[in-house]
Amino acid sequence: GIQVEQSPPDLILQEGANSTLRCNFSDSVNNLQWFHQNPWGQLINLFYIPSGTKQNGRLSATTVATERYSLLYISSSQTTDSGVYFCAVERDQAGTALIFGKGTTLSVSS
Amino acid sequence: DSGVTQTPKHLITATGQRVTLRCSPRSGDLSVYWYQQSLDQGLQFLIQYYNGEERAKGNILERFSAQQFPDLHSELNLSSLELGDSALYFCASSGPLKGGAPYNEQFFGPGTRLTVL
Repeated sequence: GIQVEQSPPDLILQEGANSTLRCNFSDSVNNLQWFHQNPWGQLINLFYIPSGTKQNGRLSATTVATERYSLLYISSSQTTDSGVYFCAVERDQAGTALIFGKGTTLSVSS
Repeated sequence: DSGVTQTPKHLITATGQRVTLRCSPRSGDLSVYWYQQSLDQGLQFLIQYYNGEERAKGNILERFSAQQFPDLHSELNLSSLELGDSALYFCASSGPLKGGAPYNEQFFGPGTRLTVL
């Protein structure tokens, strides 16, 4: 089946720093989503981005579908950005299961 | 708030028991998905329903079953529970939305944390 690899597995930052998280996938995908799992366990939608670039405040994401990777940029990080960031892809037709990577654990200290 | 609701938030039970987890999708969504998050397996897809019909199955054990009712809420039944079933169980929904959101973006509920003792 399709493989989803995220890097780095762990990231420790000081408040105000910028970071780039990467997601590689092994096959063409129909959908790609980025999520933030906060310390309370909630999965929060960040981006639906099967291709192209999107921005939402301090976060932005780019997916290059032809090269099978996606990047999540976090600028001016804050302590509330801490948590686990997941990339998930949907391989088949619209409206099917998401396959998750193992995540990047981000810790932002003040 | 994603609009997906799950109950209960926490559940503590003993091995061998049976529990039912409940999920209400976002208004207008027809698809419901169940996922399991455990420390060793990560986030894994269990099963999907679309408008009352089973649409796809993932790594769901035979001891587990699910259904989607006419009002589109879904229940996940876990039976003969084992210690290894302790996990966070998420429900997600997707479907055609008004106002431009893509058809297949999935939105997750807050999860049910199951502890089997």
